Amino acid sequence: DAKTTQPTSMDCAEGRAANLPCNHSTISGNEYVYWYRQIHSQGPQYIIHGLKNNETNEMASLIITEDRKSSTLILPHATLRDTAVYYCIVRVAESALSSNTGKLIFGQGTTLQVKP
Amino acid sequence: DTGVSQNPRHKITKRGQNVTFRCDPISEHNRLYWYRQTLGQGPEFLTYFQNEAQLEKSRLLSDRFSAERPKGSFSTLEIQRTEQGDSAMYLCASSLAPGNTEAFFGQGTRLTVV
Repeated sequence: DAKTTQPTSMDCAEGRAANLPCNHSTISGNEYVYWYRQIHSQGPQYIIHGLKNNETNEMASLIITEDRKSSTLILPHATLRDTAVYYCIVRVAESALSSNTGKLIFGQGTTLQVKP
Repeated sequence: DTGVSQNPRHKITKRGQNVTFRCDPISEHNRLYWYRQTLGQGPEFLTYFQNEAQLEKSRLLSDRFSAERPKGSFSTLEIQRTEQGDSAMYLCASSLAPGNTEAFFGQGTRLTVV
């Protein structure tokens, strides 16, 4: 699985959009970009994932560059409860014929501090 | 379904003692994972089950560690002769396979070896 690079920490004002970048310059064509977050003393929580196209769900938007070498997670209106460590993970796409385990390789992530 | 459940949430043990943690995954999930997380680090993969078969083990999983998933439902992780370096959060996750879906994590078991 490709390696990712994220800033160690970021701050965001409450109510503003939080834009968390991730570089994955060695990503392969069959690798997805996944985002998880971990609030203090809890297990990681899935946020969103994508392959090529931008994705949006009730939690966030994922913008993937055309060359797929980087992506940005957007929390449109950050709240204090969004303070967490955010992990960007690249994972090989699976099929019924693949032998992938689906395990996740976590880096150190970005610590997002949302401030009042 | 209340998600992935882990017990106990906290465990303090003396060095040299054995400990066992339990994970109850989401009921229809055939994949189960164990991870370990130390302070300030991201979770590290330990082992993976598909149904009752243990299909992958990390080099982090020393001989003192053993995991089982006897009926393809709940799983246990046992650490024998605990060492202070085993102090960490032990996380369990489950997912459906095959598929490019998300994994669901439990709240973890925090182990402190004194």
